[in-house]
Amino acid sequence: DIQLTQSPSSLAASVGDRVTITCRASQTVSVYLHWYQQKPGRAPKLLIYAASTLQTGVPSRFSGSGSGTDFTLTIRSLQPEDFASYFCQQTYSASSFGQGTQVEIK
Amino acid sequence: QITLRESGPTLVKPTQTLTLTCTFSGFSLSSSGVGVGWIRQPPGKALEWLGLIYWDDDKRYSSSLKSRLTITKDTSKDQVVLTLTNVAPVDTATYYCAHRNMGDAFDVWGQGTMVTVSS
Repeated sequence: DIQLTQSPSSLAASVGDRVTITCRASQTVSVYLHWYQQKPGRAPKLLIYAASTLQTGVPSRFSGSGSGTDFTLTIRSLQPEDFASYFCQQTYSASSFGQGTQVEIK
Repeated sequence: QITLRESGPTLVKPTQTLTLTCTFSGFSLSSSGVGVGWIRQPPGKALEWLGLIYWDDDKRYSSSLKSRLTITKDTSKDQVVLTLTNVAPVDTATYYCAHRNMGDAFDVWGQGTMVTVSS
């Protein structure tokens, strides 16, 4: 099974900050890596799929990069509505999720 | 517009079988490339992928749950059914179904249904 490790597990940031979250796979997942945002009590929302493709309707301040085993989700200028948890998911071999990164207000 | 909604019991006793239904609209599970997946999330914990069923009835399951998990579809009713046997308290979670997009991600999710396993 492919394991996904996200870092950091949590971070505190301010509105306007640039935030970077990484996701490392235990073996290659090519570009079959996706990013989700989840707010408390809500279902996850797809942000980025296939490593770098922005889902329709998602603000352009979100971007994804990477291939193989190392991936990054970047939020260019953090907005109040971006404080949430973020998860990566691989669909290269069956599927699995990372443990999540909680973005909190500094 | 694609929508999905999970339904089923909120409380199940240990050793019993959990059956959840995902009722969807806005797409057909008989169309090439389409899939519906199940994901769960214990309170305060991470998402866990459970499995996926494709338009051609191909199925993929989590290796850790494969022996207890079955996913089926009823195309005529636009439903996908998850069956989890011999449940235990560790199976307590919010269960989600979701639509798989052509990029292989889950682009639309149901609201989720909380299931508690307790005697």
